[in-house]
Amino acid sequence: QKEVEQDPGPLSVPEGAIVSLNCTYSNSAFQYFVWYRQYSRKGPELLMYTYSSGNKEDGRFTAQVDKSSKYISLFIRDSQPSDSATYLCAMSASQGGSEKLVFGKGTKLTVNP
Amino acid sequence: GAVVSQHPSRVICKSGTSVKIECRSLDFQATTMFWYRQFPKQSLMLMATSNEGSKATYEQGVEKDKFLINHASLTLSTLTVTSAHPEDSSFYICSARADRGRGYTFGSGTRLTVV
Repeated sequence: QKEVEQDPGPLSVPEGAIVSLNCTYSNSAFQYFVWYRQYSRKGPELLMYTYSSGNKEDGRFTAQVDKSSKYISLFIRDSQPSDSATYLCAMSASQGGSEKLVFGKGTKLTVNP
Repeated sequence: GAVVSQHPSRVICKSGTSVKIECRSLDFQATTMFWYRQFPKQSLMLMATSNEGSKATYEQGVEKDKFLINHASLTLSTLTVTSAHPEDSSFYICSARADRGRGYTFGSGTRLTVV
């Protein structure tokens, strides 16, 4: 079993839809959870990160962590064509800044106008 | 804030030559930087962890003599692909973290093509 599992999609939704992206993990030591957006041929762009279980909201984006289920989600409200990208979840076991991130494979999202 | 600059963004080199990729933290100091490799439609694969003032820590299966990492200052880490071969063609990305209160920030990546 891989440490981080993420459905690669592709996921296609109409503009304005609510998008739900998910990852599961197996390492109970993970305590730092982060979502990145990556456009084609570009480096990942940090969207949101959190250390604790619960929800964290930033504009149209909500990150949710359920440590008991080892499950994290990213919700995008009122999705826009510009949200079309690959979304990567990642996590690490340390808050110290030097622990390596473990990435999911990424989910490719297309928002159709 | 927390900007990581990486260049070149794209490089084409001949087989057998070496290529240097630079990663700079522009508005913060980074004692640790990370180098990743990404194949088409794949996720990021960590190659090594670069530590300022000390040797890099390489992941299993990554040739340290082929992928030389130097982290000479708190704002600069370099990755040199030595004696490049076509199979080294890939997308290389670096990342760094400003402090505990922020996330890891990535550079824009370098597309290396070895011909």
